Amino acid sequence: GAVVSQHPSWVICKSGTSVKIECRSLDFQATTMFWYRQFPKQSLMLMATSNEGSKATYEQGVEKDKFLINHASLTLSTLTVTSAHPEDSSFYICSARGGTSGRWEHTGELFFGEGSRLTVL
Amino acid sequence: KNQVEQSPQSLIILEGKNCTLQCNYTVSPFSNLRWYKQDTGRGPVSLTIMTFSENTKSNRRYTATLDADTKQSSLHITASQLSDSASYICVVSANYGGSQGNLIFGKGTKLSVKP
Repeated sequence: GAVVSQHPSWVICKSGTSVKIECRSLDFQATTMFWYRQFPKQSLMLMATSNEGSKATYEQGVEKDKFLINHASLTLSTLTVTSAHPEDSSFYICSARGGTSGRWEHTGELFFGEGSRLTVL
Repeated sequence: KNQVEQSPQSLIILEGKNCTLQCNYTVSPFSNLRWYKQDTGRGPVSLTIMTFSENTKSNRRYTATLDADTKQSSLHITASQLSDSASYICVVSANYGGSQGNLIFGKGTKLSVKP
């Protein structure tokens, strides 16, 4: 199957700092990537949809100025948590869907990254 | 309102036993239904994806069924192993090829397989 890589897998930072998380599709081009947040024992919550070369679409209740998303290329999307606070501590996961080429485009399959655990002290 | 409900919320079984997880949805128009396995602290991994015309699909010890009329799906795990311990998430797509906003996630079933 396709591979989606996230980095870092875990990060600890001080309150008020900014943290960047990368999401890369390693063996296919992803025109669309998605960012989720998952709190303990809860399901994935979609935060935003990231389309290559355009502004991200944020879900209701997600602050776009706090969670900056950039999708500069067909294989890379980044999520920056700005001025992080302890309540931002969570498990952040990205997923990618095949775009311009590759068999995955036809199934609409989503491939998830391994997740990034953010702890804000 | 588009919803995906999974049951049971959690399940404990002994190694080697079979189990069945349920997913009921009220999503329209229906496009496809996916089952994912999520290990603790990891990203979800796809098990199956089923379209409207598919009733059963197997992937090793996992067998998924879909009844589009009753809007129900099940995931049957045969001869469970300790490594099957995970959360199983049902995701229904309301519009094939559409935006991510049409993917509705269930809250998952947490399966624990005990030796």
